[in-house]
Amino acid sequence: EAGVVQSPRYKIIEKKQPVAFWCNPISGHNTLYWYLQNLGQGPELLIRYENEEAVDDSQLPKDRFSAERLKGVDSTLKIQPAELGDSAVYLCASSLAGTSGGASTGELFFGEGSRLTVL
Amino acid sequence: KQEVTQIPAALSVPEGENLVLNCSFTDSAIYNLQWFRQDPGKGLTSLLLIQSSQREQTSGRLNASLDKSSGRSTLYIAASQPGDSATYLCAVGIRNQGGKLIFGQGTELSVKP
Repeated sequence: EAGVVQSPRYKIIEKKQPVAFWCNPISGHNTLYWYLQNLGQGPELLIRYENEEAVDDSQLPKDRFSAERLKGVDSTLKIQPAELGDSAVYLCASSLAGTSGGASTGELFFGEGSRLTVL
Repeated sequence: KQEVTQIPAALSVPEGENLVLNCSFTDSAIYNLQWFRQDPGKGLTSLLLIQSSQREQTSGRLNASLDKSSGRSTLYIAASQPGDSATYLCAVGIRNQGGKLIFGQGTELSVKP
């Protein structure tokens, strides 16, 4: 069974350019997460989807970041325009959420990540 | 606000040693706790998941324990091997926030042959 698939693995752009990352979660996983990982740090949540609904986007910088999960499967994370400080690894994860109060009962499974370098 | 701390930040041991990685968290009202491994330039690989009602989980040479009352978890690695060299991340799941994980900064482990 395929795991979480992300693309591209690496992206180098100049500041002020747009960039987009794509994620395909594990089949059947209804919850999808985008995390940001800076060098030497643990990942931090940007946005969480349950099916096609963004249920937690409180950490997403909405002035330049946007995300969508059409049809509740694949997801795209976009940055426009990119800034130097956006250089990081963008990780996608998925899980099979539980039904009690929206709490997840399953493990999170992560993709390989998309490493962004902004010059 | 939940905070997760991992000590030490880096650890170097000779092959064959048993070792313990530590994780502490400030709010004991967690939903679960997950240990991950991350190799350089790679994503996170799930090692062990402990639900809040459990005390420990084991997988092969790995054993993770959870003590919610003291806000601590440990990852025990038996008979370490050079292939165990990686960064180990601890993450706590937040109750009523649908699986949101708060991560520690990780412990970078190096096992010398």
